Amino acid sequence: DQQVKQNSPSLSVQEGRISILNCDYTNSMFDYFLWYKKYPAEGPTFLISISSIKDKNEDGRFTVFLNKSAKHLSLHIVPSQPGDSAVYFCAASVTGGSQGNLIFGKGTKLSVKP
Amino acid sequence: DTEVTQTPKHLVMGMTNKKSLKCEQHMGHRAMYWYKQKAKKPPELMFVYSYEKLSINESVPSRFSPECPNSSLLNLHLHALQPEDSALYLCASSQGTGTGYNQPQHFGDGTRLSIL
Repeated sequence: DQQVKQNSPSLSVQEGRISILNCDYTNSMFDYFLWYKKYPAEGPTFLISISSIKDKNEDGRFTVFLNKSAKHLSLHIVPSQPGDSAVYFCAASVTGGSQGNLIFGKGTKLSVKP
Repeated sequence: DTEVTQTPKHLVMGMTNKKSLKCEQHMGHRAMYWYKQKAKKPPELMFVYSYEKLSINESVPSRFSPECPNSSLLNLHLHALQPEDSALYLCASSQGTGTGYNQPQHFGDGTRLSIL
């Protein structure tokens, strides 16, 4: 049973526009959420995270929103750039529980067209 | 450039071979992790070392044997692997684990392992 779900396998966006990547989770014990970006032949690169005590975290062009009641988080990229084209993984963990056990979604492939 | 270095980048081995994957970080992190990633799948946790002690083994077969010689190094010893073990093996590190440790894990670029 998938605890972290990314229901869109792919997303295509025009350069300069907003990219919105979505993630849903089922385990209400999750209290720390992360987004990673992965290029082919490279490991996942940490982008941004959010603790469950917050509902928004912003870092430059990247903003993560958390809606605990809906068990939903999203990553907004504004403005989108061709270099953002990659697979984006959502991940979640229970920081007081199994130490360091990150549960990943299946990923969303973002294509930003010039 | 990643601050977690994995070697080798690629490894092809037979089912009777013994080989080791290596991971190194110099960020002062006290937790290190091994993940396995199959094609078009998310990474799956295999092992967690916290302060150089094995704290999690996610029911991984004994043909995979982790080792943490010191706080900067993490090895994964491989023996008698099966073709289905072919995957990308990722190493990660973080400042720590447990309650209050809301710190991200930083990944290396992985070792692409192929079992013949």
